[in-house]
Amino acid sequence: KQEVTQIPAALSVPEGENLVLNCSFTDSAIYNLQWFRQDPGKGLTSLLLIQSSQREQTSGRLNASLDKSSGRSTLYIAASQPGDSATYLCAVRRPDSGGSNYKLTFGKGTLLTVNP
Amino acid sequence: ETGVTQTPRHLVMGMTNKKSLKCEQHLGHNAMYWYKQSAKKPLELMFVYSLEERVENNSVPSRFSPECPNSSHLFLHLHTLQPEDSALYLCASSQGVGVYEQYFGPGTRLTVT
Repeated sequence: KQEVTQIPAALSVPEGENLVLNCSFTDSAIYNLQWFRQDPGKGLTSLLLIQSSQREQTSGRLNASLDKSSGRSTLYIAASQPGDSATYLCAVRRPDSGGSNYKLTFGKGTLLTVNP
Repeated sequence: ETGVTQTPRHLVMGMTNKKSLKCEQHLGHNAMYWYKQSAKKPLELMFVYSLEERVENNSVPSRFSPECPNSSHLFLHLHTLQPEDSALYLCASSQGVGVYEQYFGPGTRLTVT
């Protein structure tokens, strides 16, 4: 059974700092990995999606890497801003082997606070 | 704004009440999902519908009853809930069932008293 772990559970940094959020998964047979952002009491916003054949994806100040063989992904946020404060969720999708590949396995998330 | 709306945004209900959560997607998608997000637990998939047909029931208690009258609307009917059912209930939709990206609504915060 796939399990996704996110470390740390919470992180507080001063504005302007670069930071890394970590995600690990137990079964390296994945189709893709996705990073989401969730603001308090709200839904999920997709940030980056990395296919299993890719090593990284970038969007603005965000860079996500994937090391499938070791079961790890990192989300790098450059020059953090107070508006980046949110919970960041990592989710993996099972391979496209037919049936149930719509299932996403989520981690519990990392609560990020960026202080002005 | 993802094109998926949910109402109500907040709901407080007693254990003997009956209420319904509503989800609507404006993306022309054919698959819709209900997820439960409890405090300090990962998101859990509850139900999946494809073209109004249920394709997944992830061992959800019968006090939760989903309904999908058409591909744009999804309901979650609630009755005789327990306090541990208090959670954020998220709806999502995707182009189809499979490896299509899922788009999430803002959620309904449910409190059972």
